[in-house]
Amino acid sequence: GAGVSQSPRYKVAKRGQDVALRCDPISGHVSLFWYQQALGQGPEFLTYFQNEAQLDKSGLPSDRFFAERPEGSVSTLKIQRTQQEDSAVYLCASSPQGMRTDTQYFGPGTRLTVL
Amino acid sequence: AQSVTQLGSHVSVSEGALVLLRCNYSSSVPPYLFWYVQYPNQGLQLLLKYTSAATLVKGINGFEAEFKKSETSFHLTKPSAHMSDAAEYFCAVSEMPGGSEKLVFGKGTKLTVNP
Repeated sequence: GAGVSQSPRYKVAKRGQDVALRCDPISGHVSLFWYQQALGQGPEFLTYFQNEAQLDKSGLPSDRFFAERPEGSVSTLKIQRTQQEDSAVYLCASSPQGMRTDTQYFGPGTRLTVL
Repeated sequence: AQSVTQLGSHVSVSEGALVLLRCNYSSSVPPYLFWYVQYPNQGLQLLLKYTSAATLVKGINGFEAEFKKSETSFHLTKPSAHMSDAAEYFCAVSEMPGGSEKLVFGKGTKLTVNP
């Protein structure tokens, strides 16, 4: 069964490097979310897509963070000039219809460590 | 904006004992509430959700939760803990309609089950 997949699973970057994190949602899911989970904390919302449209990016912490979903399926979260405070697990989730009652299905996450 | 408070960052129970994980929410509109479980190095998995139907919600693995509007609570329970229940549990509320369908998470409760 194809769930949400994310790659890479682990990424180590030197401070100042750019990174790109990929999310493959469940096929046919309309909505896609990115969350950031710091160590010992709950996930925090970053951004949201409905199909290819980015409808909410209020959680992106700075203009170094950029996300796209150009064809309404695969999404990429890009972080430019990484900083140590960017170290976290980045979770991607998808949901079928973009409704509040939908279940969000989460991927395993990408653990980013910035040295 | 909605918020979630999980009382107790760590809960320890004996195998076979009652599990009670507390969640209180803040919302100016009828909330939709979720409980997710996270095993080490894995993504979040939905346990159950409340979407304004029955106030007592049954989920997977023998868990259930009761929505109590008067107490603004959505506590998670399981009558008899199993070793495999050891994990971190997150309560979440769905953001208001009109915004994105993002989830606002609590900080999580780590459940330890002792033999």
